[in-house]
Amino acid sequence: DTEVTQTPKHLVMGMTNKKSLKCEQHMGHRAMYWYKQKAKKPPELMFVYSYEKLSINESVPSRFSPECPNSSLLNLHLHALQPEDSALYLCASSQGSEAGGGVTQYFGPGTRLTVL
Amino acid sequence: AQKITQTQPGMFVQEKEAVTLDCTYDTSDPSYGLFWYKQPSSGEMIFLIYQGSYDQQNATEGRYSLNFQKARKSANLVISASQLGDSAMYFCAMREVNTGTASKLTFGTGTRLQVTL
Repeated sequence: DTEVTQTPKHLVMGMTNKKSLKCEQHMGHRAMYWYKQKAKKPPELMFVYSYEKLSINESVPSRFSPECPNSSLLNLHLHALQPEDSALYLCASSQGSEAGGGVTQYFGPGTRLTVL
Repeated sequence: AQKITQTQPGMFVQEKEAVTLDCTYDTSDPSYGLFWYKQPSSGEMIFLIYQGSYDQQNATEGRYSLNFQKARKSANLVISASQLGDSAMYFCAMREVNTGTASKLTFGTGTRLQVTL
């Protein structure tokens, strides 16, 4: 089973709202990722958690705040977003092992975010 | 710095025919990994196939095979017997090695494949 789930599927929010995106995996993976994808572009890495610790922050604005409550869950808290933050937000996970396919990232279906 | 190049913005293929999607890469690391992902219009990125730089044989997964030519730094995806459901965006990606247990991917710009009757 290589399933990563994300909720909600769609989210519309105003610039003053606070919302959260959720991601869950039950594959025992120890690395989890947040990506942002604009239309007709490749995904851009935002954050990486390895063994529940933040290991990579790609200079993401502080209005995006990641959280990893446990090894299966990853949240992305949103506050005071701008219209240009509207995008598809993808979560992914990988085993966290260096060996072969252990580095493969498995993606969730994404959350389509619209900021008004 | 690592770089992935996909020179075909769009491709058409007839149903049941084979198609090759091109991917070239540039890296100074001796150890790296190459991936292909499929992204239908629904948005989910679906993992298709992986090739490690030290793997002796080209990777295959069902109808997907990876034509890995290390000296040319190319990792083309071959889809055999195309199906209508193969219509999607396809991304080539490479793993940066020195990221510990997590894997940081560099993506190409993608190729949109359209399968026709």
